[in-house]
Amino acid sequence: KNQVEQSPQSLIILEGKNCTLQCNYTVSPFSNLRWYKQDTGRGPVSLTIMTFSENTKSNGRYTATLDADTKQSSLHITASQLSDSASYICVVSPPKGGGADGLTFGKGTHLIIQP
Amino acid sequence: DTAVSQTPKYLVTQMGNDKSIKCEQNLGHDTMYWYKQDSKKFLKIMFSYNNKELIINETVPNRFSPKSPDKAHLNLHINSLELGDSAVYFCASSLSWGYIDGYTFGSGTRLTVV
Repeated sequence: KNQVEQSPQSLIILEGKNCTLQCNYTVSPFSNLRWYKQDTGRGPVSLTIMTFSENTKSNGRYTATLDADTKQSSLHITASQLSDSASYICVVSPPKGGGADGLTFGKGTHLIIQP
Repeated sequence: DTAVSQTPKYLVTQMGNDKSIKCEQNLGHDTMYWYKQDSKKFLKIMFSYNNKELIINETVPNRFSPKSPDKAHLNLHINSLELGDSAVYFCASSLSWGYIDGYTFGSGTRLTVV
């Protein structure tokens, strides 16, 4: 069964510190991977998207990495800000046939930035 | 603004009632989706729909039904609401089915059944 596992489940760090969120997936074959940020009370918003041939993708202070051989991705947040407090969701897209939406969602990492 | 918009943002209703949540996208996407996010924040797909095909997650009760008057709209109708239906419901759209690039979510509808 295709799965996406994220760790840690929750994380608390001080403002200004860096952190790294992990995503391991078993989806195979694999098409691409996306990280979403979901603020409380809002819908998920895309941060990065990577195909299987890409190793890294940056969006401001967010940098995602992908190792398609080990089926691992990480999202690194640099110099965290209070506004980074949110849930971060890893989503993997297999080729067509992956389910009702063609996607496999992780359960997310809940990140809290403390002043 | 280009977006996926849902109404209402909040919905409080009694058990047994029938309610609808509306969703509209102006992105020109072919496929729309409904997700349920429970208290543990896990997003679960309920339906995906385009002009040709409705794909239903087999775990969704038949009290839930999508209705699409046109390609830009996918409404969610719920009959005989139950306490367990309380959750946040998200609409989403994508260029085509399973196409992750451009996959866009609405801001959600918080449904509370009392």
